[in-house]
Amino acid sequence: NFMLTQPHSVSESPGKTVTISCTRSSGSIASNYVQWYQQRPGSAPTTVIYEDNQRPSGVPDRFSGSIDSSSNSASLTISGLKTEDEADYYCQSYDSSNVVFGGGTKLTVL
Amino acid sequence: QVQLVESGGGVVQPGRSLRLSCAASGFTFSSYGMHWVRQAPGKGLEWVAVIWYDGSNKYYADSVKGRFTISRDNSKNTLYLQMNSLRAEDTAVYYCARDLGMGTMIVLHWGQGTLVTVSS
Repeated sequence: NFMLTQPHSVSESPGKTVTISCTRSSGSIASNYVQWYQQRPGSAPTTVIYEDNQRPSGVPDRFSGSIDSSSNSASLTISGLKTEDEADYYCQSYDSSNVVFGGGTKLTVL
Repeated sequence: QVQLVESGGGVVQPGRSLRLSCAASGFTFSSYGMHWVRQAPGKGLEWVAVIWYDGSNKYYADSVKGRFTISRDNSKNTLYLQMNSLRAEDTAVYYCARDLGMGTMIVLHWGQGTLVTVSS
């Protein structure tokens, strides 16, 4: 099984842009889609990006996803940061019989 | 809209069993794979199990293999998780989640979760 590694925390100011990385330990990041989930304190997770760069309906276009094969990583970018974006963010990918989550990144908007 | 409502959580002693249910609505349940994902207090998300749209394939995390069983009743639009030989480390909020498709392994929609506490 592979692992997905995320930074423990990131912080940025309102209105700025932040990028959260997710690095796959083995196997190509491009071999299986990457998803991103937002979890606000006390709430269930919600999906903000699926299939590397697709946004579910209702997710603002301030959220975008990408993958970089050279670094074997995926990234979630949030532009025009708002205080409501403060949350934990998790990446997810999979293989034929296993789903893997990253350890999560706490985003602080201050 | 997709709705997933979990039930069956509670306090249970180590070694005992518990069955969780997830009532689905707002979509054609029999056309989608379904997952269970858990989150221990103060920890990250941990995938537990997946079942294909028709029940033909089931996969489990190593941490629960042989103890937990995922199943579904498409006539009742309900997903289940039978948890046996429970341990303290199984204490978590358990989320029911819908797959993107029949069994893509992509978690798309989430329920609100039900808390399971394993303690004597």
